[in-house]
Amino acid sequence: GAGVSQSPSNKVTEKGKDVELRCDPISGHTALYWYRQSLGQGLEFLIYFQGNSAPDKSGLPSDRFSAERTGGSVSTLTIQRTQQEDSAVYLCASGSGTGWTDTQYFGPGTRLTVL
Amino acid sequence: GQNIDQPTEMTATEGAIVQINCTYQTSGFNGLFWYQQHAGEAPTFLSYNVLDGLEEKGRFSSFLSRSKGYSYLLLKELQMKDSASYLCAVMGYGGSQGNLIFGKGTKLSVKP
Repeated sequence: GAGVSQSPSNKVTEKGKDVELRCDPISGHTALYWYRQSLGQGLEFLIYFQGNSAPDKSGLPSDRFSAERTGGSVSTLTIQRTQQEDSAVYLCASGSGTGWTDTQYFGPGTRLTVL
Repeated sequence: GQNIDQPTEMTATEGAIVQINCTYQTSGFNGLFWYQQHAGEAPTFLSYNVLDGLEEKGRFSSFLSRSKGYSYLLLKELQMKDSASYLCAVMGYGGSQGNLIFGKGTKLSVKP
């Protein structure tokens, strides 16, 4: 596609439920990033995939968070046993994977609300 | 520790020039990005600096001083559509080659 797409655009869930958020990166981009943006806060790095390398999970806030990237393309971010503090906009970005100078192109985000 | 500071809010007049400052302290430095984010939308790339000096791109320019840990984004001939948040982000060493550390953003309001 022309840009990064994410689904769903909005998700409302009850505390304790699991949720899955999906990201379709720009075709041909080997790098994929997940961030979250809480109200009034800056973007917080969660996880980074580069090609077939093991992902950098250093930003995941707890073991309730996990992410997969199948076939080097689509990625799914899973949050288990959601808590109210997980409410945020979850943004996915992709890049050409050229390394340090890689420009990241962001998707529209998924707004997660945990009741 | 890693820290990026930028003003929370700024107001400017249509047609004027505004400078948004960003200071940073990070573990390593491999470039500084500026992103624009309109309310309710995803960030979009504006500029990238890795060497000291000024990078000009149309109405927007970005400056970097690595020795001072300082950057600014300069917006000229302001238009109402420039009302948005402007995010300063530094690519550091951290735990990942792709980890951008973001500031909290500067919300710019352009008034007629």
